[in-house]
Amino acid sequence: AQSVTQLGSHVSVSEGALVLLRCNYSSSVPPYLFWYVQYPNQGLQLLLKYTSAATLVKGINGFEAEFKKSETSFHLTKPSAHMSDAAEYFCAVNLRGYSTLTFGKGTMLLVSP
Amino acid sequence: DTGVSQNPRHKITKRGQNVTFRCDPISEHNRLYWYRQTLGQGPEFLTYFQNEAQLEKSRLLSDRFSAERPKGSFSTLEIQRTEQGDSAMYLCASSPGDNSPLHFGNGTRLTVT
Repeated sequence: AQSVTQLGSHVSVSEGALVLLRCNYSSSVPPYLFWYVQYPNQGLQLLLKYTSAATLVKGINGFEAEFKKSETSFHLTKPSAHMSDAAEYFCAVNLRGYSTLTFGKGTMLLVSP
Repeated sequence: DTGVSQNPRHKITKRGQNVTFRCDPISEHNRLYWYRQTLGQGPEFLTYFQNEAQLEKSRLLSDRFSAERPKGSFSTLEIQRTEQGDSAMYLCASSPGDNSPLHFGNGTRLTVT
């Protein structure tokens, strides 16, 4: 079975502050991991993906995530938040050999001026 | 790449009516997925196709739901005898193959009154 847990349904930061969104996965085999972003009334857009190459993955809009097998984590970070980063972020896992993505419940990122 | 297109964007229907949604995937993608998203939740997998073959169905997909992809291009999702619990955003996604990122459409928001 595959699953992801996103800690914190809401995260609030000030503009310019560090963004840290947490994701832990559960799988018995090495997973593929993804972060998606969703703006209101829109579909999901891929931010970045981990597919067993480098453990530090860089994505769009200045986001990056680090795969830590020992902690079964794939946290999303950005050094300096922008107002335009306010959105909902989803972590997703796909086990090798599975054809479907399983999503976490999402974390809403709120950015204040 | 014109992206994944979903129609209609919004659908309001009365309980007991049938509804049908359409998804046009990215043309070279042979995988097509349907997900459902309710407020405060991540997308939940419903079903997926490889070309015209429906390869997997979630237990969430009751017998009132049916999906088709007749020529391996566009897909339709029909809900018969709608219930208020069917109110959700229905997301379509496509991908070129196993473990590839999913490209999502903007979804169809269904409201059952």
